[in-house]
Amino acid sequence: EVQLVESGGVLVQPGGSLRLSCAATGFPFSRYEMNWVRQAPGKGLEWISYISSSSSTIFYSDSVKGRFTISRDNAKNSLYLQMNSLRAEDTAVYYCARTSRLDSWGQGTLVTVSS
Amino acid sequence: DIQMTQSPSFLSASVGDRVTITCQASQDIDTFLNWFQQKPGKAPKLLIHDASKLQTGVPSRFSGGGSGTDFTFTISSLQPEDFATYYCQQYDTLLTFGGGTKVEIK
Repeated sequence: EVQLVESGGVLVQPGGSLRLSCAATGFPFSRYEMNWVRQAPGKGLEWISYISSSSSTIFYSDSVKGRFTISRDNAKNSLYLQMNSLRAEDTAVYYCARTSRLDSWGQGTLVTVSS
Repeated sequence: DIQMTQSPSFLSASVGDRVTITCQASQDIDTFLNWFQQKPGKAPKLLIHDASKLQTGVPSRFSGGGSGTDFTFTISSLQPEDFATYYCQQYDTLLTFGGGTKVEIK
């Protein structure tokens, strides 16, 4: 069974940094492209970053470009999102999701940016 | 960037009703379109991929159609468990979601 489990979400002050993790099991992680998607409280879904299976291709949305960094460790079956210069508007549930079809999602991890 | 315009944003319907949601892309995306269902406090669930292909395990009352810029999502006979928010999403160029359609009980 495909399983994605996010972790690392906490309360952080504006300007702070945070690293989210997504642990993958139940499928050959190294063969799959991955994405991060977020959802602000009471709002819709927003795609924020993509990474190819080999990490050779990476994309970001304009809203996080230059502040967030996506990475992966295929040996550890893990996906990461390094978040710097956090703003109040980054407050959201962050999901990792498999492929551009987004066919499997984790349960999400809540990031709250507030003083 | 490709924009996805989804309508309506809110829909009130009864059990057994036929429900249709539309999604319009700002440019041609062929059939690179997915539909998701999301219930409160839960992750989205993929229902339809490639505009019209039913994801494994999804009931056949859900269907999708369209290509290019105009797409539809239909629930042929609304069931109690279908009251949720639905999103379209394109993956022709990067990924973009529609604004969502909340389906509530009339």
